[in-house]
Parts: sequence; structure tokens; C-alpha cells
Amino acid sequence: QVQLVQSGPEVKKPGSSVKVSCKTSGDSLNSYTIIWVRQAPRQGLEWMGRIIPLLGVANYAQKFQGRVTITADKSTGTAYMDLSGLRSEDTAVYYCAREPVVPVVQYYLDSWGQGTLVTVSS
Amino acid sequence: QSALTQPASVSGSPGQSITVSCTGTTNDFGSYDLVSWYQQHPGKAPKVLIFEGLRRPSGVSTRFSGSKSGNTASLTISGLQPEDEADYYCCFHHISDKSVVFGGGTKVTVL
Repeated sequence: QVQLVQSGPEVKKPGSSVKVSCKTSGDSLNSYTIIWVRQAPRQGLEWMGRIIPLLGVANYAQKFQGRVTITADKSTGTAYMDLSGLRSEDTAVYYCAREPVVPVVQYYLDSWGQGTLVTVSS
Repeated sequence: QSALTQPASVSGSPGQSITVSCTGTTNDFGSYDLVSWYQQHPGKAPKVLIFEGLRRPSGVSTRFSGSKSGNTASLTISGLQPEDEADYYCCFHHISDKSVVFGGGTKVTVL
């Protein structure tokens, strides 16, 4: 069954910001880390950052430091990825995925959202 | 951050076995079995095939297997089928700084 449901496609102007949501099922945010990955057209997968909702701690890829903010709302089971200073090169499909951390951390992504296309164009 | 190197493409005929390699450059890549492999069909989200180097999640076909030798991890697809035509990505989670890195991806073509 679908376990990660992302928000719909976005079209943004250069210089603006976009916020993509990722709603999880059940108590996923207590048992998983949420990771954000993007994929530019005809390109590979690129890790952006992660949040450990249980601790409220996030870390980011160096490339996106200062431009990306990942948050989580445990009350609604929803994670968010906010990317600012958009440029055309940020046009991509953005995915959320979850990494099991209970009872122990398992270093892989066992479920992915359906992806959100963000188009940056003037 | 480290880089993971994969061949751009691999091909094989139905029924054959093929192997996709993934070479890492850091000491922890060679020291820890934290490589996972993902299959991605066009327009779809990736799906995990292998984790911790050689473990298969429930529901993944036994035709997919993983291994590692030194700084190179490998994904083998046995009994190649038309539906195996897809892009395949290796991935490594760095324990030290909690970063994640993906390989560049390998396009598998079934001839």
C-alpha cells in the first residue's frame, strides 16, 4: 500500500521558494528517518538531506546548505522540504523516502513517495 | 562527499545473467556493508532491491543478488527478463557524517 504521499506539481519563478510535503502513514515519523532525493530530467538520483523526526535533527548535503530546510510535523505525520533561491537547474522531480531506524538503524530506503515535479521557469 | 562509479549501461539477452558494478572511493565504503541497490523504471519512483550489501527485502525476486569485494559492490540479475529493463542505482550511507551518496546509475537493456 502507498505509505508516503507527496504534494502535487509546482511551477515556480527563478529566485522564489518551493515547499514540498510528504505525508506518512501511521507512526512512521517515530520509526523512520525521512530523506529527500531529487532527480533532474534524464539525470541520476541526488541526495539533498534528511531529518530524524524523533530527535528533530536535520542534516543536509553540502551542495544545498543554506538553501534547503527539512522539517517534520509529528502531529500530522508530515515531512517538508523547503528549497529557496530557485534557479532553472533546480527543475527536477523531488522524492521523499524513509529509512528504518527502529529497532535499529537500517541503512537503506524501504519506501518512496511518488515524486513531485518542480519546474523553475520565468 | 564520496563518489560511487557505475557503468553507464549494461545489456544482456533474456535468460542471461548480468552484473552491475559500483566502485566507492572511501575507506568506510570498503569497511561497511551499507550498500543498497534500487531499480527505477521510467516515470516511476525507485524501488529497493538489495540492502546491507546482499540482503533482499521481502517480495523482491531471488533473481536479484548483491555482493561486495573490497571497494566494489555488485548487483547480479540472473535469468534476465524483459521487465528488468530499467535504471539501477547503488547507494551508500555514510555513518560518520550521516550523508548519503548515489552512483550515477546504470541503464540495463534486455536485447
